[in-house]
Amino acid sequence: AQTVTQSQPEMSVQEAETVTLSCTYDTSESDYYLFWYKQPPSRQMILVIRQEAYKQQNATENRFSVNFQKAAKSFSLKISDSQLGDAAMYFCAYRSFFGNEKLTFGTGTRLTIIP
Amino acid sequence: DTAVSQTPKYLVTQMGNDKSIKCEQNLGHDTMYWYKQDSKKFLKIMFSYNNKELIINETVPNRFSPKSPDKAHLNLHINSLELGDSAVYFCASSPMVSGGETQYFGPGTRLLVL
Repeated sequence: AQTVTQSQPEMSVQEAETVTLSCTYDTSESDYYLFWYKQPPSRQMILVIRQEAYKQQNATENRFSVNFQKAAKSFSLKISDSQLGDAAMYFCAYRSFFGNEKLTFGTGTRLTIIP
Repeated sequence: DTAVSQTPKYLVTQMGNDKSIKCEQNLGHDTMYWYKQDSKKFLKIMFSYNNKELIINETVPNRFSPKSPDKAHLNLHINSLELGDSAVYFCASSPMVSGGETQYFGPGTRLLVL
């Protein structure tokens, strides 16, 4: 079974600075998908970014980018120019390419933005 | 228009009662899911349906029974509620079973069992 580990329960960053959230995962599969979801206080789960394991190029979405290291099974999220609205819980998630397509989540990182 | 909607958003009830949570998606997706988020914010899959057919049942007690009347709806019925059922329940949908399509989540239903 796949597992996802987020080793930082809490992180904080000054507004306008850059922060990196860590995520590692364990799998024996070669094809899979990785996601970062954001959960603000409203508790809505919002997709931040998605990465296909077969793509070597790191995904980017505006101020959000990932550092995907397939061999190391690492998938970190970098947030540049942090804004107050970025304050939220961030969840890393894994999804198999084949078979049951559930998301397996990490335990989350609570990100605080310091004005 | 809301893509994935859930009703109710909040549910407070007594132990032993039976309650239902409804989910509807207007995205035309084939697959729907129920996830449970516990008090420590951990999210775990409960069920998944593809075109009204159950494809995932992750060792959830029999007191939980999902029902999918059509592929746009996936409801969750819970019998004999227990204190440990208190959590936030999220419905989600995705276009297809395989292929890593993004799952879109509803706003969640916060269930409190007293």
